[in-house]
Amino acid sequence: AQSVTQPDIHITVSEGASLELRCNYSYGATPYLFWYVQSPGQGLQLLLKYFSGDTLVQGIKGFEAEFKRSQSSFNLRKPSVHWSDAAEYFCAVGASGTYKYIFGTGTRLKVLA
Amino acid sequence: KAGVTQTPRYLIKTRGQQVTLSCSPISGHRSVSWYQQTPGQGLQFLFEYFSETQRNKGNFPGRFSGRQFSNSRSEMNVSTLELGDSALYLCASSFGDRNEQFFGPGTRLTVL
Repeated sequence: AQSVTQPDIHITVSEGASLELRCNYSYGATPYLFWYVQSPGQGLQLLLKYFSGDTLVQGIKGFEAEFKRSQSSFNLRKPSVHWSDAAEYFCAVGASGTYKYIFGTGTRLKVLA
Repeated sequence: KAGVTQTPRYLIKTRGQQVTLSCSPISGHRSVSWYQQTPGQGLQFLFEYFSETQRNKGNFPGRFSGRQFSNSRSEMNVSTLELGDSALYLCASSFGDRNEQFFGPGTRLTVL
């Protein structure tokens, strides 16, 4: 079955600390992978995407993610978190020829001043 | 370039009524998808349209329907509303394959 797992429902970090949000997927085809961020009352904003090629991808706002096929993972990282990064983060998987994304349940990030 | 727009932003309906939500994609985008977001079920795929054709449909009852017009604008309709239909309905558009989807701000539907 196709699925995306984000094991951490809530994460709290101090401002300036590093961040890693976990994402594991189960998908039959070669996956397209995405991380989106959602602020309260807003839609989803794309942080980064992976289609193929270099397994370390850079995104907006200083985020990066690494695709590890052997671990079926696509973890999101940021070296130094800012208070404005507090939001909910969603990992999603899709495939060529469809826009039917499967989303994880999200990780809510809280940033302590 | 203007982003994806959704109207209305907020909607309150009562059980048994029907509702129509509208989505205008980014100019030049031909693909539109719809998602339902609830606290309990998270983000769930509803439909996907490309050039007025439904390419994919999620696991929702027939009360949920959609369409896409020749200008790529899309509407979704929910008939015989139930309390459980209360959700944020998100529309996303894309230019083509190997392109990400851009999401609108959503329509918050409350069913009383």
